[in-house]
Amino acid sequence: AQSVTQLDSHVSVSEGTPVLLRCNYSSSYSPSLFWYVQHPNKGLQLLLKYTSAATLVKGINGFEAEFKKSETSFHLTKPSAHMSDAAEYFCVVSFTGGGNKLTFGTGTQLKVEL
Amino acid sequence: GAVVSQHPSWVICKSGTSVKIECRSLDFQATTMFWYRQFPKQSLMLMATSNEGSKATYEQGVEKDKFLINHASLTLSTLTVTSAHPEDSSFYICSARDSQGTEAFFGQGTRLTVV
Repeated sequence: AQSVTQLDSHVSVSEGTPVLLRCNYSSSYSPSLFWYVQHPNKGLQLLLKYTSAATLVKGINGFEAEFKKSETSFHLTKPSAHMSDAAEYFCVVSFTGGGNKLTFGTGTQLKVEL
Repeated sequence: GAVVSQHPSWVICKSGTSVKIECRSLDFQATTMFWYRQFPKQSLMLMATSNEGSKATYEQGVEKDKFLINHASLTLSTLTVTSAHPEDSSFYICSARDSQGTEAFFGQGTRLTVV
């Protein structure tokens, strides 16, 4: 079985400071990992994905994430937060043996303050 | 990236009526589509998985007779909420994947309010 845990339900940062959103996963097989962002009443937009290539993945809007197998983690980071980054972020795992079914984390609400 | 269009973006209906939500892949053939439900400030809950031309596979606890899913073509899947009640009010999101991709593309969601 696969699962994903987002350790923080809410994260608050000041504009211009670094962002760290934590995600740990559990999967019996080599997983694919994703980070999605959701603005209020909107669908999900893919930020970045890891599919067994480079462990440091760069995504859109300056976000990146590092796949660490030893720690079963896939934390999302950004060097400098912008007001427009305020949104809900979901860490998602899937693996081929599971029919590529996506398993979502519970989400992290990112708040960016002036 | 690929585009998935979901329609309508919001709908209000009376209790007891049925509502149909469409999910279209605009620039690729979606062999698999997924339907999710999201309650306020919660994560997405997978309702069902549909493959083109076959019956949908429902997750445990999801009433297949209440949430009818049709995936008649490679670019269109529909979710019909039958005999809707206020507790069905929620945000419904579809996603689509082609036969080769590991990535799923999401629609913009439908806010359903049953009054």
